[in-house]
Amino acid sequence: GESVGLHLPTLSVQEGDNSIINCAYSNSASDYFIWYKQESGKGPQFIIDIRSNMDKRQGQRVTVLLNKTVKHLSLQIAATQPGDSAVYFCAEISYSGNTGKLIFGQGTTLQVKP
Amino acid sequence: EAGVAQSPRYKIIEKRQSVAFWCNPISGHATLYWYQQILGQGPKLLIQFQNNGVVDDSQLPKDRFSAERLKGVDSTLKIQPAKLEDSAVYLCASSWEFMNTGELFFGEGSRLTVL
Repeated sequence: GESVGLHLPTLSVQEGDNSIINCAYSNSASDYFIWYKQESGKGPQFIIDIRSNMDKRQGQRVTVLLNKTVKHLSLQIAATQPGDSAVYFCAEISYSGNTGKLIFGQGTTLQVKP
Repeated sequence: EAGVAQSPRYKIIEKRQSVAFWCNPISGHATLYWYQQILGQGPKLLIQFQNNGVVDDSQLPKDRFSAERLKGVDSTLKIQPAKLEDSAVYLCASSWEFMNTGELFFGEGSRLTVL
């Protein structure tokens, strides 16, 4: 079954506010997590990643936080813009022997209100 | 840099018919993936190639789905015979090498409707 899952299927925020999208994982051995953004009619697009030796990583207007104690990660988007409206997926790399595969969660739809 | 190319973008077939999807990855990318995305769900990995060899096909329904990556570049995914539950978007992705990054580059997908 799935090893990563999101808390809310839909999140609605006002333009200019900060957005926080949450994700939980079940495998305490998981050590590499990635956030993807998928706009309507397009394929997923890499946003940011984080490895388990870090608890925070920042990009342009985005921050990912990893809490290994409670097996939770979040994606924070600063000053949310209409262009941020999309479905956001957390994903993890699942390793088997010397191979790995990218496993996606269910996704949270972010709606930005003007 | 050109992105991952997929065709066709849309396909409508009746159940028990066959369909094939084509993918041209980003030049130089050794790893190629096919994902199935059912409406409202996250993408599910069907098969993963490293050059022209299969790395993982554990979730590929091999009784009806097949995929190949001849010469380690382009790839085709075939479904024969199609079932209603195969209606989905089929996403192709590629990456330089898998183990060092989770950054995959996805195409826009091929949307399949089975009637």
